[in-house]
Amino acid sequence: QKEVEQDPGPLSVPEGAIVSLNCTYSNSAFQYFMWYRQYSRKGPELLMYTYSSGNKEDGRFTAQVDKSSKYISLFIRDSQPSDSATYLCAMSLQGAQKLVFGQGTRLTINP
Amino acid sequence: ETGVTQTPRHLVMGMTNKKSLKCEQHLGHNAMYWYKQSAKKPLELMFVYNFKEQTENNSVPSRFSPECPNSSHLFLHLHTLQPEDSALYLCASSQGQGKNTQYFGPGTRLTVL
Repeated sequence: QKEVEQDPGPLSVPEGAIVSLNCTYSNSAFQYFMWYRQYSRKGPELLMYTYSSGNKEDGRFTAQVDKSSKYISLFIRDSQPSDSATYLCAMSLQGAQKLVFGQGTRLTINP
Repeated sequence: ETGVTQTPRHLVMGMTNKKSLKCEQHLGHNAMYWYKQSAKKPLELMFVYNFKEQTENNSVPSRFSPECPNSSHLFLHLHTLQPEDSALYLCASSQGQGKNTQYFGPGTRLTVL
């Protein structure tokens, strides 16, 4: 079993839709949860960073962590074509430098 | 773009060649990382350096040899690579232990013929 499971997609939605991206994980000790966005031919860019459970909102983006279910989500409201990218979830243990990544979900927003 | 730069952006090499990848971070961070990103696979951590000292080697073959002369620069020396080593090689940096938010460079797209 992979430590972090993420549906690779591809996921295609119309502009303006609400997008939900998800990851599940097996290690209940993970404490830090991140979402990265990676455009084609670019490196991953940190989008959201959450500690432990709860929600975090930044503009059109909301990150949710449900530690009881070992499930994290990224919601994108009012999606734009410029949101088209691969979204990577990542997580780590308390005090650890090693990030464990999901495979990434390729998202396309159609105008 | 970001505070982490990588050169070259693209590299094609034969299996007998020797080449080096370079990474530089302008963020004042103390930790630097090498990752390998292959198609349809999660990012794989290769090496971690803290204050120029290697603190993690994730069972990487010896044909990959990292070097960290100071906290701002990181190299990955390549020799006698295999075609399956073709991938995007990403460098990242972070403030250091206890602060694990990592910032990535644009990567070097490596093709081994």
